[in-house]
Formats: sequence, structure tokens, C-alpha cells
Amino acid sequence: QSALTQPRSVSGSPGQSVTISCTGTSSDVAGYNYVSWYQQHPGKAPKLMIYDVSKRPSGVPDRFSGSRSGNTASLTISGLQAEDEADYYCCSYAGRYTYVFGTGTKVTVL
Amino acid sequence: QVQLVQSGAEVKKPGASVKVSCKASGYTFTTYYIHWVRQAPGQGLEWMGTINPSDGSANYAQNFQGRVIMTRDTSTSTVYMEVSSLRSEDTAVYYCGRDRPRYDYHFDCWGQGTLVTVSS
Repeated sequence: QSALTQPRSVSGSPGQSVTISCTGTSSDVAGYNYVSWYQQHPGKAPKLMIYDVSKRPSGVPDRFSGSRSGNTASLTISGLQAEDEADYYCCSYAGRYTYVFGTGTKVTVL
Repeated sequence: QVQLVQSGAEVKKPGASVKVSCKASGYTFTTYYIHWVRQAPGQGLEWMGTINPSDGSANYAQNFQGRVIMTRDTSTSTVYMEVSSLRSEDTAVYYCGRDRPRYDYHFDCWGQGTLVTVSS
């Protein structure tokens, strides 16, 4: 199972929007409605931000949103804030109780 | 509250084995699968495999088959992951996380991570 493809980095000024793409295949991203996104600050464990492509866990700000088109999922952060600076990873269920993560994207707030 | 608490950092020599634990609390242990995810220094997350605490059955990623064994102890709500024949490339932080197949296909809770350093 190959890692899902994400851009290495994206950046934006406070208040702007950024979108991170996550490209997979028909065996993962396009095959199941189970794409999730995780935020990871340095030295910390990942934190769930989006699940089931576009659902937000309670406590996650509504400036985080998810979507999918074909084999590419996306995470959009609207109204970028300083505390959003972190690494972000997509993850997709890939069948038979297996998962595959994305390559990771560093979000920089300018 | 729901918690996954992992064992402390380890330093091992090449060729040795390491066993990392993940203790669950705040929920019914047998109703969630436990997964292990590895993160090498400066690298991304890599899914290693999962264990069903209810019956002990495990499923491993191809990259780890034959070198990783996941087990559980229902009496202490603890899952263990053992990696054998360690090499320098196994130096990483190892995380446990949970999901609930047939209901939830995402990791809503994670352990704090365990750093395993492989060095001669």
C-alpha cells in the first residue's frame, strides 16, 4: 500500500484560507467514505480534525472543513490562525482493517 | 475520560527486540481495536497494524509482517507491540490509537507516543 500524496508544505497569512490535497486511489480514498485528517504539533501525538471525509469532532473549530472529489480528498482551513501552524496528515481506510496515511503537509502561518 | 497511556522510551541495540505497551482506560477495552503507527524522525506517519482486543486477532501491514507481533492482556486492558530484529531504521516514535470497526473508521484517541532508539 503506497502512501497517499500530499503537498510538502502550504502557507498563508492570518485570516486567509489554505487547502491541503490528499491523492489516493480507488482502493482507498475513492473506495470508502472513511478519509480522516490529523493535526500534529511538534513533539505531540496526532489529533483528529476531520473524519468520514467531512465530519468534524466536537471541539474542532468550524474553520476546518473536509471534502473529496474522486480519488482526491481535501482539508481547508479558513480564517487561518497562528495556532493552526502544524503538520497535517490525511488517512484513508483501505479495506480489510488496514489504513494508509498521507505523506504529510506542513502548514506555515506567515 | 478515555485514555491510552504508553510505556516509556527505550534504547536497544541492533538485532534486539522491543516491547511497547498501550494501556487503555475510560471505555470498554474489547469494543475498540488498537492500532500502531510509527513515525521516524522528521518523517510522516506509517500504519503498522491492528489488534482486536476481543479475540486477540491481529492484522499487519505488509512492511511489518514477520517482524511485529501484537498481543493483548484483557485483565489489564493493555495491548503490546513487539518488534524483533531491530535495525537503525526502526528508530522512531511509536503511537497507539483506537478505532471501532463497523462504526468508526478513524483514530479518535491516541497514546502519547513511545520513542524507540536503536543504536549500537
